Amino acid sequence: DQQVKQNSPSLSVQEGRISILNCDYTNSMFDYFLWYKKYPAEGPTFLISISSIKDKNEDGRFTVFLNKSAKHLSLHIVPSQPGDSAVYFCAASARGGADGLTFGKGTHLIIQP
Amino acid sequence: NAGVTQTPKFQVLKTGQSMTLQCAQDMNHNSMYWYRQDPGMGLRLIYYSASEGTTDKGEVPNGYNVSRLNKREFSLRLESAAPSQTSVYFCASANAHGGGSGNTIYFGEGSWLTVV
Repeated sequence: DQQVKQNSPSLSVQEGRISILNCDYTNSMFDYFLWYKKYPAEGPTFLISISSIKDKNEDGRFTVFLNKSAKHLSLHIVPSQPGDSAVYFCAASARGGADGLTFGKGTHLIIQP
Repeated sequence: NAGVTQTPKFQVLKTGQSMTLQCAQDMNHNSMYWYRQDPGMGLRLIYYSASEGTTDKGEVPNGYNVSRLNKREFSLRLESAAPSQTSVYFCASANAHGGGSGNTIYFGEGSWLTVV
């Protein structure tokens, strides 16, 4: 049973527009959520995170929103740039996460010129 | 700026052969992890070590063993490789404190393993 779901395998967005990547989770014990970005042939790199005590966290062009009641989070990228083309993984952890993160299957974001 | 370093980057094995993937981190992190990534499956946790001297199974541990050699190093061993273990393997580390304080995991660059 998948505890972290990214239902869109791919997303195509025009350069300069907003990219919105979505993620749903089922485990109510999750208290920390992260987004990772992955280019081909490289390891995932940390992008942005949010604690369950917040509903929004912003870092430059990237904003993560958390709706705990809906068990839903989203990543907004504004404006989208060609270098944002990558696979984005949503991840979650519980109790500080010493036992690792649970990842979604990823969304391939393609920024079109 | 080494971060998490894993070797080898590429390896081809024959079914039944054994090999060890090495991983080292220089960030003084307590916790280390081995993940595998398969097409359409995301990243799945194989084994982890919450602290030096401890190891625990993750989501997909069958066919693997691990050793937390010291605080820096965490190796993954395939005793008898199978084609189903063809995958990209990622080592990672974090300073996990527990108690919901959050845990950002940092990944190595990956090891591409093909079992024929």
